[in-house]
Amino acid sequence: EVQLVESGGGLVQPGGSLRLSCSASGFTFSSYAMHWVRQAPGKGLEYVSAISSNGGSTYYADSVKGRFTISRDNSKNTLYLQMSSLRAEDTAVYYCVKGRELLIAEYFQHWGQGTLVTVSS
Amino acid sequence: EIVMTQSPATLSVSPGERATLSCRASQSVSSNLAWYQQKPGQAPRLLIYGASTRATGIPARFSGSGSGTEFTLTISSLQSEDFAVYYCQQYNNWPPGWHTFGQGTKLEIK
Repeated sequence: EVQLVESGGGLVQPGGSLRLSCSASGFTFSSYAMHWVRQAPGKGLEYVSAISSNGGSTYYADSVKGRFTISRDNSKNTLYLQMSSLRAEDTAVYYCVKGRELLIAEYFQHWGQGTLVTVSS
Repeated sequence: EIVMTQSPATLSVSPGERATLSCRASQSVSSNLAWYQQKPGQAPRLLIYGASTRATGIPARFSGSGSGTEFTLTISSLQSEDFAVYYCQQYNNWPPGWHTFGQGTKLEIK
């Protein structure tokens, strides 16, 4: 069974930094692309970032480009999202999502439970 | 970037009745369209992909149709557990904007 467990969320001041983690199990993590999707409180879903299976290719939404960095440690079956220069509009639940073997446009079958990031002074 | 527009924003339907939710793409996405259900405090759950294929374990009362720019999710006989927010998502494009979601339709009990 695919399991994705996010951690690292919390309260951070504007301009601050935070690193999210997503621990994966139930599949061969190193063989699959991974994604981050976020949802502001009471709002819809926003696609944030993606990384290929070997980490060689990454993608960022314009809203986070230059501030967020996606990475992965395949030896630890863990996906990361390093967030810096955080803004109030980054406040959201961040979901870790399993991709396919190739980094392509796709639908999302497997989601984590999400971790809440709150940016506020 | 492809913009996905869902209608209505809120739909009030009685249990046992049919619900029809719409999703429109600003340009053709072929059949690269998915539907998700989300309940409060939960992650989205994949219902439909390829515009009309039910995901594993999804009841037959959920059906999807459409192609190009116009899509529909139909729930044939609403059960109490179906009242939730529904999102469509296109996955046709290349970056940027290769995964875009609609703003959601809240399905509430009438």
